[in-house]
Amino acid sequence: DTAVSQTPKYLVTQMGNDKSIKCEQNLGHDTMYWYKQDSKKFLKIMFSYNNKELIINETVPNRFSPKSPDKAHLNLHINSLELGDSAVYFCASSRPGDISRTDTQYFGPGTRLTVL
Amino acid sequence: DAKTTQPTSMDCAEGRAANLPCNHSTISGNEYVYWYRQIHSQGPQYIIHGLKNNETNEMASLIITEDRKSSTLILPHATLRDTAVYYCIVSDYKLSFGAGTTVTVRA
Repeated sequence: DTAVSQTPKYLVTQMGNDKSIKCEQNLGHDTMYWYKQDSKKFLKIMFSYNNKELIINETVPNRFSPKSPDKAHLNLHINSLELGDSAVYFCASSRPGDISRTDTQYFGPGTRLTVL
Repeated sequence: DAKTTQPTSMDCAEGRAANLPCNHSTISGNEYVYWYRQIHSQGPQYIIHGLKNNETNEMASLIITEDRKSSTLILPHATLRDTAVYYCIVSDYKLSFGAGTTVTVRA
């Protein structure tokens, strides 16, 4: 019955590698998000997709590329991983509605990425 | 870019009400006040939101001042499981999390 799920839960990798984090929601939501929470615990939005279209793209390096194959999935691919990418990444989704304003968001359990 | 000010931390006794203040003096007319919390190592959890009127749900109550420049989240009977970081967010189209208030409920 998991609403928003992410895989993997933990990811340890070397600098320079390319990795992906997957997110799936079974809530029937139209909008999905990626957030990054760094070591100082600040949670920052990275991307938002509505019906597979990008609607929010914060200042994020080009090495990060979200991909939405369908409404229920929003995956995050990261190229050429750097030490500073180490963080916890959270996926979230929100119900259909007016995309000009946010709505209640449901978060996944997070993926802890460690770059060595 | 958080537009809210919250105390860094607060303690609360188990079984008592916890009142969490939040200042948002620059809130604009179309922005909602949202409260989320993050229990250690978990994803943030939605608690409640409101625009002008006070709101109540099964988790908490939200009291918004008439000028909308501040609000208070009330957890009516705090339990140990309510220990978490609580975020007050004003938002029109995206959530911007600040540092939040670390609430520790003590037995």
